[in-house]
Order: sequence, then structure tokens, then C-alpha cells
Amino acid sequence: DAKTTQPPSMDCAEGRAANLPCNHSTISGNEYVYWYRQIHSQGPQYIIHGLKNNETNEMASLIITEDRKSSTLILPHATLRDTAVYYCIVLNSGAGSYQLTFGKGTKLSVIP
Amino acid sequence: GAVVSQHPSRVICKSGTSVKIECRSLDFQATTMFWYRQFPKQSLMLMATSNEGSKATYEQGVEKDKFLINHASLTLSTLTVTSAHPEDSSFYICSVRRPVGLHSGNTIYFGEGSWLTVV
Repeated sequence: DAKTTQPPSMDCAEGRAANLPCNHSTISGNEYVYWYRQIHSQGPQYIIHGLKNNETNEMASLIITEDRKSSTLILPHATLRDTAVYYCIVLNSGAGSYQLTFGKGTKLSVIP
Repeated sequence: GAVVSQHPSRVICKSGTSVKIECRSLDFQATTMFWYRQFPKQSLMLMATSNEGSKATYEQGVEKDKFLINHASLTLSTLTVTSAHPEDSSFYICSVRRPVGLHSGNTIYFGEGSWLTVV
């Protein structure tokens, strides 16, 4: 699976949009982009995933560039409970393995 | 509600003893489950892939005789840490793969994790 690069940390003011970038320049055509987050001392929580189109759900939006080499996770109105480590992962689910390889992620701190 | 349940959430054991952690898929049958380990301030590291009805597949560097995995049913996988040592103290997390075709959304769900402290 392709490797991802994320900034180690970011701050965001409460109520503002949090934009978390991810580079995945070696992504291949059949690899999905997945985002998970991990709040301290808990298991990872699924946020969103996509292949090439932008996606939106009740938690977030995922914007994938046209060349698919990078993406941005958007939390439209960050709250204190969104403070967590956010992981961007590319996954070739077509290969059948579904093994998620976690990088170091981005530690998002939402500030009152 | 929870899709994956882990038990116990916290356990303390003495050095040299064995401890078992259970991972249950609550919403669907899972032929594949994954076990991860996470040390403080580090990312999750995949330990092994648990396959129902067959032997688990271990990642490089993970001792299969120390970390015994049993996937005896389509809803339960267990991880047994044998002859535990203080350096085995960690956060152990399982994940479950939803069968393809049942749902168009998320495919992989995680348990809440189990804190193991070996004293």
C-alpha cells in the first residue's frame, strides 16, 4: 500500500473548520484513501473514505485532488471533542487484505 | 452502537503468567480480524491477521508462540499473551473486516482496545 505523509500536529479554534492535509503521491489507481481518528486511550474511529470523488458524511468532508496525490479532511465546525490523532491511510481493498498500515498521523488540538 | 467488542478493557497480570484478550464482532460474521499493538505515544502496529478456521498470519518480528491467536468462530478471535513480561505492557486493539457487499460504506471497524499491564 502507498505511504502517506501528514503534518505531525495542528491547532484549530473551536467552531472553525479544521483542514487536515495528507500527501499520498505514490497512490495507485485502485487504492482508496481512508481517514480514521484516535481519541486518547480509545480504538480508532472511522471517519470517511473515498477513491477519486469528493465525499461528505455527517462527520466530515474528504477532498481528493484530481491527480489523487493528496487529499484534505475537513471538519466543518471543530469542537473540543474533535481533539485526536487523525490518520490518513491508503488501502488497496481490491487486493483482499484490508490491512491498515498506520503512520504517525496528525495530532489535532481544538482550542477553546 | 459498537460493532466490535473487546474484553477486558484493562488487565493487570504478573510476570510469567498468560492473559487472554477477546475480540467479538457484534454485527456481522467476520472471516478476518486483525490484531494491533500500540505503545504509548506511538502509532498502531499490526501484529497479525486472524483467519477463521486457519492459522493466523503474523507480521515480521512478532513471535507466534508468544502471541497465540485463535479465531475459532466467525464472531470471536482471541489473543493470548503467554509468559508475559513487563515489556509486553501495551494497548492491544483488534479490528474486524465487514464482508464485502454487505455495506457500501466503511469496511474496517476497531474495538475499544485492551490495556495490558504486566507487573
